[in-house]
Amino acid sequence: EIVLTQSPDFQSVTPKETVTITCRASESIGSSLHWYQQKPDQSPKLLIKYASQTISGVPSRFSGSGSGTDFTLTVNSLEAEDAATYYCHQSSSLPITFGQGTRLEIK
Amino acid sequence: QVQLQESGPGLVKPSETLSLTCSVSGGSITTYCWSWIRQTPGKGLEWIGYIYDSGYSSYSPSLKSRLTMSVDTSKNQLSLRLSSVTAADTAVYYCARTRTGRNSFDSWGQGTLVTVSS
Repeated sequence: EIVLTQSPDFQSVTPKETVTITCRASESIGSSLHWYQQKPDQSPKLLIKYASQTISGVPSRFSGSGSGTDFTLTVNSLEAEDAATYYCHQSSSLPITFGQGTRLEIK
Repeated sequence: QVQLQESGPGLVKPSETLSLTCSVSGGSITTYCWSWIRQTPGKGLEWIGYIYDSGYSSYSPSLKSRLTMSVDTSKNQLSLRLSSVTAADTAVYYCARTRTGRNSFDSWGQGTLVTVSS
């Protein structure tokens, strides 16, 4: 099973800051890494697919990069509505796995 | 815009079988792959398994011995059955759609909380 480790677990940031969340895979997964945003009492929402591909309707301040074992999600010019937990997910091999999540607090 | 809606009992007794249904509207259940995912505070998001409209499925090794998934294309519904449940199966259960088993989850249901307790 591929283990995804996200860092940090929690980050408190101010509006307009830029934040970077990392996801490290226990073995190479190519670019089969996806990012989701989950707000309280909501289901996860797809933000980025295949490491860096944008999703229609997702604000352009969200971007992703990486390949192999190391991936990053960057949120530029944070807004209050970006307060959420962010998860990575690998679809390279079964079983499908998720990172443990990174909770983002906006001060 | 496809919509997914999970339904089923919110309370299941230990050792009994958990049964959930996911109803798909606004799109066909065919040509996609459908997963069940659960979420607990302690273990985060956990993939349970997926199934195609053909009935082909793949299950999480940790749940495989207790799990049955099925699809009813005439009703545009998926079903999940998890037997011999324990408190560790208490979670919010989601159904989610992917293009294939190797893609991102582009649509999710709202989730349904299932509590295992006597």
